[in-house]
Amino acid sequence: AQTVTQSQPEMSVQEAETVTLSCTYDTSESNYYLFWYKQPPSRQMILVIRQEAYKQQNATENRFSVNFQKAAKSFSLKISDSQLGDTAMYFCAFMKGGGGADGLTFGKGTHLIIQP
Amino acid sequence: NAGVTQTPKFRILKIGQSMTLQCTQDMNHNYMYWYRQDPGMGLKLIYYSVGAGITDKGEVPNGYNVSRSTTEDFPLRLELAAPSQTSVYFCATELAGEGETQYFGPGTRLLVL
Repeated sequence: AQTVTQSQPEMSVQEAETVTLSCTYDTSESNYYLFWYKQPPSRQMILVIRQEAYKQQNATENRFSVNFQKAAKSFSLKISDSQLGDTAMYFCAFMKGGGGADGLTFGKGTHLIIQP
Repeated sequence: NAGVTQTPKFRILKIGQSMTLQCTQDMNHNYMYWYRQDPGMGLKLIYYSVGAGITDKGEVPNGYNVSRSTTEDFPLRLELAAPSQTSVYFCATELAGEGETQYFGPGTRLLVL
């Protein structure tokens, strides 16, 4: 079984600053995928970014990028030019590869607060 | 295109009561999932389905049942509700494939008193 650990329960930064959220995972799988989901107060789960483990290149989506360190089993999320709308819970999640319906394994989340 | 819809949005149950949480999708996705989210925690997988007529247990299936008679619908049944089932329940869908993105419904908040 795999585990996902987010060691920062809460973070607070000023608007326009850059913030990095940490995530580590443990797995014996070689084929897997990693995700960051955002959950605003509305509770809707919104995909932020996705990374294939077989790709060395770090994924980017506009202001969001990841630092994927496969050997260290680390998958951090960097948010540049943070905005008030980025205030939310952020969850790191793991999915085993192979095409099966294995579901996602989530970390406990990091509550990110963007201060005006 | 509604995506993934869940009903009800909120429900209060008494201990021992039963109810069905509804999940419907219009994306023609093969895979469907039920998760629960307890306060201060990430989501945990309850049950999943790879297609009509096929379901399987996830990490926390006790106290729940599911069925999948159509591609669109994946209801979650709670029998004999207990306070430990107080949670937010999310349904998700995924187009069958390798590492595909899961799309989540808005959630159902359930309070068992």
